[in-house]
Amino acid sequence: GAVVSQHPSWVICKSGTSVKIECRSLDFQATTMFWYRQFPKQSLMLMATSNEGSKATYEQGVEKDKFLINHASLTLSTLTVTSAHPEDSSFYICSARRQGGNYGYTFGSGTRLTVV
Amino acid sequence: DAKTTQPNSMESNEEEPVHLPCNHSTISGTDYIHWYRQLPSQGPEYVIHGLTSNVNNRMASLAIAEDRKSSTLILHRATLRDAAVYYCILRGTNFGNEKLTFGTGTRLTIIP
Repeated sequence: GAVVSQHPSWVICKSGTSVKIECRSLDFQATTMFWYRQFPKQSLMLMATSNEGSKATYEQGVEKDKFLINHASLTLSTLTVTSAHPEDSSFYICSARRQGGNYGYTFGSGTRLTVV
Repeated sequence: DAKTTQPNSMESNEEEPVHLPCNHSTISGTDYIHWYRQLPSQGPEYVIHGLTSNVNNRMASLAIAEDRKSSTLILHRATLRDAAVYYCILRGTNFGNEKLTFGTGTRLTIIP
């Protein structure tokens, strides 16, 4: 149990366009989801905490107008990279934790974004 | 956020036990100790977590020091598929403090 599905697994887009990444909890409800970014040979960096039905909480230095997060249901959070530029090329990963017990966190398989 | 310290890299022979250390001297009384691992080009995978007592599951064992300032992840019999970056992370339990902050982790290499 506790499966998180992330889509797409990879995407190539042109500079200046927007890209949406979906993160779904398949077999549990997630009031909170987390979005990370990972550059090559580096660790995961937390970008924001996505809260169902309310505004996301962004980490310091992360532009909320550039990385739009929507958590409209208990099983779906989306991250939209707006006006993407080559420096936004990275590996984006979402995570969620089943509530109501002492569970670990489940991560999506990640989305490789390449902006050309 | 309480920090953890791990060796940058470790090597182990296949089919032998592996002990991955983690220091967390500033851990608070309510912080859980989580371990995750990440294979190349994949999202992290949950391994194990605990609070005070040692924990065992099908993947690994977690040994927690009595003062909770350090812990050790034990892979009982390493295989080539265990080669990954292992992250030791402290997770708070207060509202708004449940996020996981990743450090640099330990890159584990398994020697055939």
